[in-house]
Amino acid sequence: ETGVTQTPRHLVMGMTNKKSLKCEQHLGHNAMYWYKQSAKKPLELMFVYNFKEQTENNSVPSRFSPECPNSSHLFLHLHTLQPEDSALYLCASSPRDRGLVETQYFGPGTRLLVL
Amino acid sequence: ELKVEQNPLFLSMQEGKNYTIYCNYSTTSDRLYWYRQDPGKSLESLFVLLSNGAVKQEGRLMASLDTKARLSTLHITAAVHDLSATYFCAVDIETSGSRLTFGEGTQLTVNP
Repeated sequence: ETGVTQTPRHLVMGMTNKKSLKCEQHLGHNAMYWYKQSAKKPLELMFVYNFKEQTENNSVPSRFSPECPNSSHLFLHLHTLQPEDSALYLCASSPRDRGLVETQYFGPGTRLLVL
Repeated sequence: ELKVEQNPLFLSMQEGKNYTIYCNYSTTSDRLYWYRQDPGKSLESLFVLLSNGAVKQEGRLMASLDTKARLSTLHITAAVHDLSATYFCAVDIETSGSRLTFGEGTQLTVNP
């Protein structure tokens, strides 16, 4: 589980707050992802970064703002969230290397509660 | 739009029994993944299936892929309590890189 780390592990915030989720991968991967996992719904892909460049925004509301300063770090900035945004937010990384199998490795997640 | 469907969504079984979880998907793909998630934990990669007819086995779990039928199965042999978890299949249709579409998950409970 130390390959992909996420902080904080739990977060409670009001609708007017601004907070950030952090993800760090120690696997030397070149792609990173944000997913949202809500109760009774499949994992939803939010954002994809390949070699620090955002390659996918899966129709995510602008109150979620990703940032990828380098291949090892990924942030998700949150502002003016809604209660329905409460969920487990998972970060993942994958090699994005032609010589390797493209398996995604997941972090432990941040459990977010919006009041 | 790619759709990935798992069944059953809930499975309660006794220790020692066998069962199969099914994963159907709607678009051609030759990359399918199985993950396990324990309550309150993250997803753990179990199997990567990369071609038609691929079969992988690890302990009491065996996964297979039929790309023509667009079907993958996860077979559980002689279940034990430690296998209780939620199992997800995920399909990748990206030709360069990775873009996973997940099924809803199968919540497995193995009873003593």
